[in-house]
Amino acid sequence: DVKVTQSSRYLVKRTGEKVFLECVQDMDHENMFWYRQDPGLGLRLIYFSYDVKMKEKGDIPEGYSVSREKKERFSLILESASTNQTSMYLCASSVSPHEQYFGPGTRLTVT
Amino acid sequence: AQTVTQSQPEMSVQEAETVTLSCTYDTSESDYYLFWYKQPPSRQMILVIRQEAYKQQNATENRFSVNFQKAAKSFSLKISDSQLGDAAMYFCAYRRMYSGGGADGLTFGKGTHLIIQP
Repeated sequence: DVKVTQSSRYLVKRTGEKVFLECVQDMDHENMFWYRQDPGLGLRLIYFSYDVKMKEKGDIPEGYSVSREKKERFSLILESASTNQTSMYLCASSVSPHEQYFGPGTRLTVT
Repeated sequence: AQTVTQSQPEMSVQEAETVTLSCTYDTSESDYYLFWYKQPPSRQMILVIRQEAYKQQNATENRFSVNFQKAAKSFSLKISDSQLGDAAMYFCAYRRMYSGGGADGLTFGKGTHLIIQP
C-alpha cells in the first residue's frame, strides 16, 4: 500500500513564526502536492513538485514556499505565519497521470 | 481555467437506499480524468472511483458507479445500497491529461456532505 505521512496531525503556531509542514511518501512517486482545505471551499492547490528540486505554483501560492531536496520528502513552508493561514493542509503524491494518494492532513492553527 | 461545481452541499439518504451526488465541470480540454474522493471524519482522503474522459463506458466499483456525460460536462456518482460507513464528505475532482513530463494538481469541487440515516 502507498503510504503518505505528514509530520503532525495538529499544530498550533503564533503569528509571525516560520512553520514547516513535512510530508513523506514511500512509493517512489515523482509527483508531490500540497493542498489547503477550508470549509465550503474544498481543496485548493498550493504548490506541487514533479521532481527533486523542481516546483510549480498552484492556485494559491502566496505566503507559502516549498522544498524538495529528496524524492520522498516535500516540505511546505510558511515564512511568516498569519491567522488567515489557519487551515487543514493535505499532502499528496502520485505517479502521473494516475490518482493522487493523500496523507492524513495537518490541522494548523495560527494564533 | 478549469472549474468543478458540486451543487449539493449536503445530501441525506436512508440506509440501503440509493443516492446520486452531482458534479459538473468546465474545461476546454478534450482529454482529462475525473475522480470522486471520499473524506470520512478521520480526514483521510480515499479514492472512490476514476473515469478517463476518452472512455465512453461509465466506471463502476462495487456499489459505486458514475454517470459520465462528456457533452454535458457532467459526472455524477451513484451509491447503491447505502451503508453507514458511506457517511462522509465527497469531492469531485478534475485533472487534465498531459503528454510528456511534468505533473498537474487536481481541481476540486467544494464537496457534498453525505448523511446516512439508519
